[in-house]
Amino acid sequence: SAVISQKPSRDICQRGTSLTIQCQVDSQVTMMFWYRQQPGQSLTLIATANQGSEATYESGFVIDKFPISRPNLTFSTLTVSNMSPEDSSIYLCSVDVTGRYGYTFGSGTRLTVV
Amino acid sequence: GNSVTQMEGPVTLSEEAFLTINCTYTATGYPSLFWYVQYPGEGLQLLLKATKADDKGSNKGFEATYRKETTSFHLEKGSVQVSDSAVYFCALSLNSGNTPLVFGKGTRLSVIA
Repeated sequence: SAVISQKPSRDICQRGTSLTIQCQVDSQVTMMFWYRQQPGQSLTLIATANQGSEATYESGFVIDKFPISRPNLTFSTLTVSNMSPEDSSIYLCSVDVTGRYGYTFGSGTRLTVV
Repeated sequence: GNSVTQMEGPVTLSEEAFLTINCTYTATGYPSLFWYVQYPGEGLQLLLKATKADDKGSNKGFEATYRKETTSFHLEKGSVQVSDSAVYFCALSLNSGNTPLVFGKGTRLSVIA
């Protein structure tokens, strides 16, 4: 399975600012998935990032708020823009390099907005 | 659409008790099914999976059998330990690599000595 390096591991940010989260994968992969886990909740898919095209966003998530970059097959960024306290969550990226249901998750970014 | 329904928690058990966490799914097609575990303060780890009907996934004493007829994938363990205290997530995927996992709401398990 793949190894994902996710940065930063945690941050405390002021409301109105933006934070960019990075995920680096040790293998080439077509799709990368970005999730949000609000406190005490399950994982909710934000978007799917396909290299070479715009990310596909789930209902309730928009590109202006969560812009995604996918410059190559091993790297992606998620930006949380114009943050409010409601954006305080854990953000995770995920890939399946093997194509045999070997989903791997980054260690997560714990974001607190004050 | 595709969805996963888990039993509501929290679940509190005494050490060595039998554990069942129910999971049912709705899917357009034949999904693969997963159980993930999240220990306190840690990331998400794959516990076990099953990719076709009647398959049994097992790991660390946990088991789950893919039941197509009841669209279920219940998690079981014969004797829980304090170290099993965590949040357990049931999930499905319809197309490995190209589609994301769909998660249930999670079930928090607390095991007391």
